[in-house]
Order: sequence, then structure tokens, then C-alpha cells
Amino acid sequence: NAGVTQTPKFRILKIGQSMTLQCTQDMNHNYMYWYRQDPGMGLKLIYYSVGAGITDKGEVPNGYNVSRSTTEDFPLRLELAAPSQTSVYFCASSYSSKPTYEQYFGPGTRLTVT
Amino acid sequence: KQEVTQIPAALSVPEGENLVLNCSFTDSAIYNLQWFRQDPGKGLTSLLLIQSSQREQTSGRLNASLDKSSGRSTLYIAASQPGDSATYLCAVECRGSQGGSEKLVFGKGTKLTVNP
Repeated sequence: NAGVTQTPKFRILKIGQSMTLQCTQDMNHNYMYWYRQDPGMGLKLIYYSVGAGITDKGEVPNGYNVSRSTTEDFPLRLELAAPSQTSVYFCASSYSSKPTYEQYFGPGTRLTVT
Repeated sequence: KQEVTQIPAALSVPEGENLVLNCSFTDSAIYNLQWFRQDPGKGLTSLLLIQSSQREQTSGRLNASLDKSSGRSTLYIAASQPGDSATYLCAVECRGSQGGSEKLVFGKGTKLTVNP
């Protein structure tokens, strides 16, 4: 299994541009998550999904959109990039929300908005 | 609102020393607690997961304890090695604010440096 994969690894955007961060998992996990990590900070949840066709907001959803058309993919969309969205973005997945199931993380996408 | 705090923010120790990283959380109604390791420029690797009904978990030189009533967890690393140098993150899984699915709330991490 490749686990959780993310593309691209790095990206520089100009203010106002749009882009989609890709996330794919091959573990047949139902739950998927998007986090952002700012320097020296912990991770904050942007959006999550409990299955195909179902998404919900996390702690910091403003400026982002998601979709979940398949179990494997959970793309994150930035419509009008702002400098405040400069961060490292991590995608994660888990089989279930039950306490015994841990979350698995992708390697991250480092995004700079200038 | 659940808040997770990790102390210290940074720690530097000589190789071979035993060490303890601390994590505290404000709401004891958690499902589990996870310790992660993050290497510079990399993603997170899960080290240990302790369910709310458990008191500790062990993996090799790592031992994590959980005291739910006091809102505390510790990660004990025995005989530290330079390869243990990384940032260690603590996260608790708790019910979402709107009664929805459970979410992970992270601390800011402890940056560990083990000097040869």
C-alpha cells in the first residue's frame, strides 16, 4: 500500500489564484481529513469527510472547499489564495472514528502565497 | 473547547539519557490520545495510541501513559538516540463541537534534540 499520497509537494501561488491540493489513500478508509500546520503550531482541522458524498467543516474552513466523490480521493480547493493561507497542508485518513483506529498522514504540501 | 498543551516546547539532551515529554488537555471526555513524530519537512508518523480506557501503551523504547481524570499524558523515551531527534506531537480525539464525528485536537509539539 502507498498509504496517503499528496500532490504537489510544493507550490507557490500569487494572491487571488486558485488551486487544488490532491489527496489519495489506498487503504479503503472511510474517514479523511485536511489539516493545516503553521510554523511552530499544531495542526488545525480544515475539513473532514466520513465517506463518499459527505463532508463537513472543521475548525478553520474559511477560504477552502472540498469534495468527496470517491472513497479514495479527497481534494482541497483554494479559490482565491491569500497570504494567510501560506502553510503546510496535511491530508489524513482513518478506517473509522472508533477509538482504536489511528489516523494516517500524508507527507504534506507546502504552499506559499505571495 | 478542547485545548492541548505540550511542555516543554523544546528539549535538548545528551545521547543515552531517559526523557519525558508532557501533554495536558482541558476536557477529559476523550476517546483516545495519540503521540506522533514529525521529522523536518515530513508528515506525521503515529507512535502510540492510547484508548480512553487504557492507562499506558509501550512500543520499544517508548512508553506513553494516560491519566484521563487529570487531563495528562506523558511520553517516556528510554536511552535516547540522535535518531530520536524530531518534533513530538500529542493529539486527543474527542467528539466534534456539533455532536458530529470525532476530531483530533493537536498540541503545538515538543522539539527534541538528542546530541551525540
